[in-house]
Amino acid sequence: KAGVTQTPRYLIKTRGQQVTLSCSPISGHRSVSWYQQTPGQGLQFLFEYFSETQRNKGNFPGRFSGRQFSNSRSEMNVSTLELGDSALYLCASSAAGGNSPLHFGNGTRLTVT
Amino acid sequence: EDKVVQSPLSLVVHEGDTVTLNCSYEVTNFRSLLWYKQEKKAPTFLFMLTSSGIEKKSGRLSSILDKKELFSILNITATQTGDSAVYLCAVEAGPLGGGADGLTFGKGTHLIIQP
Repeated sequence: KAGVTQTPRYLIKTRGQQVTLSCSPISGHRSVSWYQQTPGQGLQFLFEYFSETQRNKGNFPGRFSGRQFSNSRSEMNVSTLELGDSALYLCASSAAGGNSPLHFGNGTRLTVT
Repeated sequence: EDKVVQSPLSLVVHEGDTVTLNCSYEVTNFRSLLWYKQEKKAPTFLFMLTSSGIEKKSGRLSSILDKKELFSILNITATQTGDSAVYLCAVEAGPLGGGADGLTFGKGTHLIIQP
């Protein structure tokens, strides 16, 4: 079974630009979550989608948004990029129902200059 | 605010040693505690614990949860250089009957196994 796939692997953007990251979950998984990982803050929850609906949201500004498609694939968008948005963005998927652990992709390394 | 604290933050041991990594938490509406291993990129799932006192085991790794003391440990016996990684503890919370909140992660324990 293929794992969680994230594209692109690396991205370099300039302050003020916007960026879209993509995630394909494990086949059959309907929940997709996004996390930001930085050396200072560690892993922080951004949002979770299930059946194309945002089910939960972390404590990030409105510049961070996402969506999920009918095939469970998800995209995350960051607008008006700031230097502090430089991070590893990890997508994770889980099967529906309780007690299902998250399985992470390899992430997209975003550098904002 | 939910909080997960891991200790130690870093640990250097020799191959063959046994290590114990600690994770304490303060969350509202606890659902489960998870351990992950992160080497280069993707954190890989190790254990999910929901009940107190029941040890989960996978090869040389084992973990147990104490819901009264709000604490979990991850044990690795007969360590190997391939065990070198950052070990992350995370807690899932959420109200009964509702959706789960996102995972709250600790800062991780950076484990280095020297040959």
